[in-house]
Amino acid sequence: AQSVTQPDIHITVSEGASLELRCNYSYGATPYLFWYVQSPGQGLQLLLKYFSGDTLVQGIKGFEAEFKRSQSSFNLRKPSVHWSDAAEYFCAVGYAGGTSYGKLTFGQGTILTVHP
Amino acid sequence: AAGVIQSPRHLIKEKRETATLKCYPIPRHDTVYWYQQGPGQDPQFLISFYEKMQSDKGSIPDRFSAQQFSDYHSELNMSSLELGDSALYFCASSLGWRGSSYNEQFFGPGTRLTVL
Repeated sequence: AQSVTQPDIHITVSEGASLELRCNYSYGATPYLFWYVQSPGQGLQLLLKYFSGDTLVQGIKGFEAEFKRSQSSFNLRKPSVHWSDAAEYFCAVGYAGGTSYGKLTFGQGTILTVHP
Repeated sequence: AAGVIQSPRHLIKEKRETATLKCYPIPRHDTVYWYQQGPGQDPQFLISFYEKMQSDKGSIPDRFSAQQFSDYHSELNMSSLELGDSALYFCASSLGWRGSSYNEQFFGPGTRLTVL
């Protein structure tokens, strides 16, 4: 069964600092990988996705992520964090096999706090 | 562009009552997914439908049932509500499997259910 691990429950950075959120997945086939952001009490907004091709993917709001198959990782990065980036971030893997097509398995989430 | 619509956005019920959540997918999307996100938790897959048939089932309690109608909208029916059912319920829609590649899910804003 697929699984997603986000090792960091809570990360605090200063505004303007760089950011890296870790994500490791366990999946037997080609992974379809996603990063979502969620503000308190709000819905899920897709930041970026990886299906195939270039392993460095660009997303919205200046985020990028790199897929490393050898490490089963899909870490999210941003070179300079803004106070508005404070939110919870979820990594997810999509399953595409048989009748279980499409469902997403989410990681536990990483809460990002940004200090001024 | 049209998005996924969920109604109601907020719902307050008493224990042992019944609740019905509705989801209207993006036009031409034939697949609907339901997720439950408890307080401080990651979203958990409940159930999905493809072309009006149940396609996959996750950790959905027996007290819950769901269906997809001829116009592709979906309803999640929850009976004998318990305090632990209080959560944010997301619906997502996508194009179903076309035998070529994974099709991205688009999330609705969610329905916040509070059970008192």
